[in-house]
Amino acid sequence: DAGVIQSPRHEVTEMGQEVTLRCKPISGHNSLFWYRQTMMRGLELLIYFNNNVPIDDSGMPEDRFSAKMPNASFSTLKIQPSEPRDSAVYFCASSRGTAGTQYFGPGTRLLVL
Amino acid sequence: GQQLNQSPQSMFIQEGEDVSMNCTSSSIFNTWLWYKQEPGEGPVLLIALYKAGELTSNGRLTAQFGITRKDSFLNISASIPSDVGIYFCAGLKDNNNDMRFGAGTRLTVKP
Repeated sequence: DAGVIQSPRHEVTEMGQEVTLRCKPISGHNSLFWYRQTMMRGLELLIYFNNNVPIDDSGMPEDRFSAKMPNASFSTLKIQPSEPRDSAVYFCASSRGTAGTQYFGPGTRLLVL
Repeated sequence: GQQLNQSPQSMFIQEGEDVSMNCTSSSIFNTWLWYKQEPGEGPVLLIALYKAGELTSNGRLTAQFGITRKDSFLNISASIPSDVGIYFCAGLKDNNNDMRFGAGTRLTVKP
């Protein structure tokens, strides 16, 4: 079975540019999570969706960050405009139901110059 | 932010040695999870624990859910070079969508 799929795997962009990260959850999972990982702060939950509806976005750093889940098999995390401090690895995870164990994608390594 | 205290931060061991790491919290969690992350990859679930006192094994890995529900440990027996990576504990609270991570234990195994 395919796991969580993320794209791109790597992204290098210049400050001020728009960045869009994509995630396809595991089929049948109805909860989706976006995390950011940095050396300084470890793994941080940014936002999660249940049945395509955003439930908690309190971890989103600021208004430059937005996330959507237009259907059960696709989600995006957008940063506009990007800044160097956004450089991190962004993970998407999915689970079956609100009590399910989360399975992570391979991550998108973002570098903002 | 993180509410889990994971230790040790790093370990350098010889192949064949046993490894022990743990996670503690001031809060109660209903589920404890242990993940392993290898360079360039996302965390991969190793063991999930759902009941206080539960002891679960997965090959050479053994993990326990503390009786107080505020801690968990992971043991790796007879380590091998492919055990290298960062091991994260994670705790889930009542709503099970609020997962908190430890800072990770970086394991290095010398052949």
